Amino acid sequence: EAGVTQSPTHLIKTRGQQATLRCSPISGHTSVYWYQQALGLGLQFLLWYDEGEERNRGNFPPRFSGRQFPNYSSELNVNALELEDSALYLCASSLHRATEAFFGQGTRLTVV
Amino acid sequence: EDQVTQSPEALRLQEGESSSLNCSYTVSGLRGLFWYRQDPGKGPEFLFTLYSAGEEKEKERLKATLTKKESFLHITAPKPEDSATYLCAVHPSGSARQLTFGSGTQLTVLP
Repeated sequence: EAGVTQSPTHLIKTRGQQATLRCSPISGHTSVYWYQQALGLGLQFLLWYDEGEERNRGNFPPRFSGRQFPNYSSELNVNALELEDSALYLCASSLHRATEAFFGQGTRLTVV
Repeated sequence: EDQVTQSPEALRLQEGESSSLNCSYTVSGLRGLFWYRQDPGKGPEFLFTLYSAGEEKEKERLKATLTKKESFLHITAPKPEDSATYLCAVHPSGSARQLTFGSGTQLTVLP
């Protein structure tokens, strides 16, 4: 069974540009979570999507946004990139009413 | 506010030297506590879920236990390949279902 897949693996952007990160959940999972892991810091919750709707968001500015598609895949958009946005962005998925979340390998975003 | 504190921040062990990692948590209600393993530059790998005090789970050289205020990850006779950062996370009760993570314990097992 395929796990959570994220693309691209690495992304280099210039300050002020926009970045789009993609996530495909495990088959049958309807919930997708996005986390940011900056160097040396813990995982910070960004967004939670469930059955196509945004259910909750963490303490991040509005330039961090996303969506979930009918096939439950998701994308995270980061507008007006800042140097501090450089981090590993992790996507996780779970069944609709499950508590266990499984992570992808992440997208390393570097803003220069 | 939900809080998760892991200790120690870093731990160096000799191969075969057993030890424990600690995860202390404060939540209004606990739906589950999770342990993950994370290798550098990779996503966290799911290890265990614990739901209630007194529960224990085992996998190879790892054993996780849970009390009402903390969880322990016991590592028995570790090997160098057990070197990684071990993350603890709590899933609080309520409508907000995202996990709250601790900062992790970086484990190094020396041959």
